[in-house]
Amino acid sequence: GESVGLHLPTLSVQEGDNSIINCAYSNSASDYFIWYKQESGKGPQFIIDIRSNMDKRQGQRVTVLLNKTVKHLSLQIAATQPGDSAVYFCAEIFQGAQKLVFGQGTRLTINP
Amino acid sequence: NAGVTQTPKFRILKIGQSMTLQCTQDMNHNYMYWYRQDPGMGLKLIYYSVGAGITDKGEVPNGYNVSRSTTEDFPLRLELAAPSQTSVYFCASSQRPASTDTQYFGPGTRLTVL
Repeated sequence: GESVGLHLPTLSVQEGDNSIINCAYSNSASDYFIWYKQESGKGPQFIIDIRSNMDKRQGQRVTVLLNKTVKHLSLQIAATQPGDSAVYFCAEIFQGAQKLVFGQGTRLTINP
Repeated sequence: NAGVTQTPKFRILKIGQSMTLQCTQDMNHNYMYWYRQDPGMGLKLIYYSVGAGITDKGEVPNGYNVSRSTTEDFPLRLELAAPSQTSVYFCASSQRPASTDTQYFGPGTRLTVL
């Protein structure tokens, strides 16, 4: 069935380093992928998205990579800052569907 | 422009009680969604609406009801609260379908059923 999973539930990085958060998805029909950031006590906040006709998309300090061959998605955060501490979720959906399927989430902590 | 607002922020219910979680958006979005998030987990879709007067079930609709009488409001009703409904509930909205547009989330309602 549909599932989106993450390789690591927690990730700890030094401030200033780059962070890489990984996500595996199982539905090869999915064609739209989204990364959300959720800070403690708040709702998910959109970070970046990518469609299946792309391999890479860049935003401000963030890059999403999509490898459709192995059904893998990653979020790269450059020069990680304390404000990046949060839980990061990947989500997938396919054309025409209404159900956004979320992964379990990865907690990113920043060491000073 | 407040975005998506939810009330209340916190609520404790006894088993068998009922309540309505309120959700309002001021972005004139057509699509609205209710999710629940259990500890350490991702979000699961309860119900969604593609416009006023139209609602449909999501992944985990049992024990819940919704209505959409206006574009702005999408309340979620729990009729007979059960401990399994202890969760954080998020409302979201988008202008276009979920497969083509990002969703904007409210701050959530933390519900405990004892």
